[in-house]
Amino acid sequence: AQSVAQPEDQVNVAEGNPLTVKCTYSVSGNPYLFWYVQYPNRGLQFLLKYITGDNLVKGSYGFEAEFNKSQTSFHLKKPSALVSDSALYFCAVNVTGAGNNRKLIWGLGTSLAVNP
Amino acid sequence: NAGVTQTPKFQVLKTGQSMTLQCAQDMNHEYMSWYRQDPGMGLRLIHYSVGAGITDQGEVPNGYNVSRSTTEDFPLRLLSAAPSQTSVYFCASSALALQETQYFGPGTRLLVL
Repeated sequence: AQSVAQPEDQVNVAEGNPLTVKCTYSVSGNPYLFWYVQYPNRGLQFLLKYITGDNLVKGSYGFEAEFNKSQTSFHLKKPSALVSDSALYFCAVNVTGAGNNRKLIWGLGTSLAVNP
Repeated sequence: NAGVTQTPKFQVLKTGQSMTLQCAQDMNHEYMSWYRQDPGMGLRLIHYSVGAGITDQGEVPNGYNVSRSTTEDFPLRLLSAAPSQTSVYFCASSALALQETQYFGPGTRLLVL
């Protein structure tokens, strides 16, 4: 079965330190990969996506993600965390499912806490 | 552009009551979907639509109906509310291509007593 895993429910990091939020996937074909962020009591917002090309993708708010095809991973990174980055982060993979229908598969989310 | 709007923001229902959650988008997106978000379960797809007049079921469609009479609107109907439907509901839209970004509404928090 096709799936997306975010192996850490919660990530804690000190302000100013680099952060990584992990995502791995198991899908057939060439996936399109996304990261979304959800701030408290808000809807999800798009951060960045990988479609093709350079494996390092840069997105909003200083975030970037590296696509690694051999490890089937798409980890989200930021060189220097801010307290305002504290939020829930979702990884998602868009694939073509049965009957040629599009299908978006979501990870369960990782809660990022940046401590002052 | 207002983007994706949802009403109401919060609703309390009694078991057995019905209601409609409204969703509208002004980006001329073909694809619209409804998700529910529950603690520890991430986002689960309820129903989706690839265009006006076309709807299909997602992972957890039971107890919910949808219709898509226009490109802009995609209401979600709870026929007979149950406590298990207490959740936060999000509507999302995107252009139809696989690589397109999803745009989410602010959510409706529903409590069924």
